[in-house]
Amino acid sequence: DIVMTQTPLSLSVAPGQPASISCKSSQSLLHGDGKTYMYWYLQRPGQSPVLLIYEVSSRFSGVPDRFSGSGSGTDFTLKISRVEAEDIGVYYCMQGIHLPWTFGQGTKVEIK
Amino acid sequence: EVQLLESGGGLVQPGGSLRLSCAASGFTFNNYAMIWVRQAPGKGLEWVSSIGGGGRDTYYADSVKGRVTISRDNSKNMLFLQMNSLRAEDTAVYYCVKALPIGTRPAYWGQGTLVTVSS
Repeated sequence: DIVMTQTPLSLSVAPGQPASISCKSSQSLLHGDGKTYMYWYLQRPGQSPVLLIYEVSSRFSGVPDRFSGSGSGTDFTLKISRVEAEDIGVYYCMQGIHLPWTFGQGTKVEIK
Repeated sequence: EVQLLESGGGLVQPGGSLRLSCAASGFTFNNYAMIWVRQAPGKGLEWVSSIGGGGRDTYYADSVKGRVTISRDNSKNMLFLQMNSLRAEDTAVYYCVKALPIGTRPAYWGQGTLVTVSS
């Protein structure tokens, strides 16, 4: 199985400041079809996860443009340009190139 | 608006069975793959099973293979997860998830239903 490793596991950010989460996969997520199957989800406290970013850098419907994804191969980053109160929760990366799809451990983001 | 409403969770003894259901609305159900993802209490996310839009292609995590069956009724916009020989480690919130418009990866998540396996 592909192992997804997130860092840091927790992050405290002042409102309006940027935040960055790293995710490394144990194998390349670049598929032969040219797509890279890397995803980011946010699970706010007490809620279900929501999709933020798919295929490395595409924002899902309704996701604010302060969220951006980047990376290639095995190294990926989710950035929040200016953290807002509603951004608190646990962020998960997920690889979708090989079954079983696997998630990172999660990064808990809180507001300072 | 996409809506996914899970039901069927509850307390079951080890070795027991449970059938989870997910009622979908707000989209053309048979055009989308559907997924079950679970989350043990206080833990991270684990993909459990996926099914193609037509219902023929099914996939399972090794942790549930042979004990779980995913199915769908496209005439009723329903997704199911039949769970047998349940173990304590199957205790989790089970989420019904609609796939992305292109491809089969998780996109829109339901609210989840809690399955507790305990004597």
